[in-house]
Amino acid sequence: SQQGEEDPQALSIQEGENATMNCSYKTSINNLQWYRQNSGRGLVHLILIRSNEREKHSGRLRVTLDTSKKSSSLLITASRAADTASYFCATDTTDSWGKLQFGAGTQVVVTP
Amino acid sequence: DTGVSQDPRHKITKRGQNVTFRCDPISEHNRLYWYRQTLGQGPEFLTYFQNEAQLEKSRLLSDRFSAERPKGSFSTLEIQRTEQGDSAMYLCASSFLGQGSGYTFGSGTRLTVV
Repeated sequence: SQQGEEDPQALSIQEGENATMNCSYKTSINNLQWYRQNSGRGLVHLILIRSNEREKHSGRLRVTLDTSKKSSSLLITASRAADTASYFCATDTTDSWGKLQFGAGTQVVVTP
Repeated sequence: DTGVSQDPRHKITKRGQNVTFRCDPISEHNRLYWYRQTLGQGPEFLTYFQNEAQLEKSRLLSDRFSAERPKGSFSTLEIQRTEQGDSAMYLCASSFLGQGSGYTFGSGTRLTVV
C-alpha cells in the first residue's frame, strides 16, 4: 500500500495556465517532498517541506502542507510545455525516518 | 561526481535467468535506496543501506531478490530466476541522512523478462 495518494491522476492544461495537484497521506511525517519524472527517466527532487512548515516556494512552484488534514498541494504557475511530466509526492514518516514512500503520481500534460 | 549512475540502462533477459544491476551513488551520500516502479505507478520501496549496513530488506519482493553494498560504495541488486512479473524499472537513489535535501535518483534500469 502507498502512503500518499495524489489527486487528480491526470491533468491537462495549456501553456500559461496554473496546475494544481494534491496529495493526501496517512501517518505522521517528518517532511513531505515532491518529485518530477519525465517519461522513462528517473525522478528529480523539486521541493521539500517540513512538518512544521505550512508553505514553501521555489521558482514557479508553491507547496502547502496541512498536517491536521494530512494533505499537501503543489502549484505550478505559468506552466510551460517542458513541465509535462508525472509528479509524485513522497512522505518521510516519523516511524521510518529518511525512507520515502511515494504516491501513484499525477500525470500533467501541458499543451502549447 | 555528476550524480547517481545506474548500469545497465536496459536489460532484456529470458525467464529463469539471473540478472544483476549496479548503482553508483553520489560519493558524499551515506544512504542508498532501491525502488521498483511499474507502469503508471509510483516507486515502490525495496531496500536501503546506510553506509554498508542494510537497514531494511523486508520489502524485497521475494527471496529471489538480494542487494549488497560492499564497503559502503556502489550497490548491486540481484534477481535470481527472473519471472515475467519482475519486468519493471529499477531505480536507485542516494541521500545524505540529516541534510534534509531529498533524494538524488539515477535514471533507472529497465528490465524486460521475456
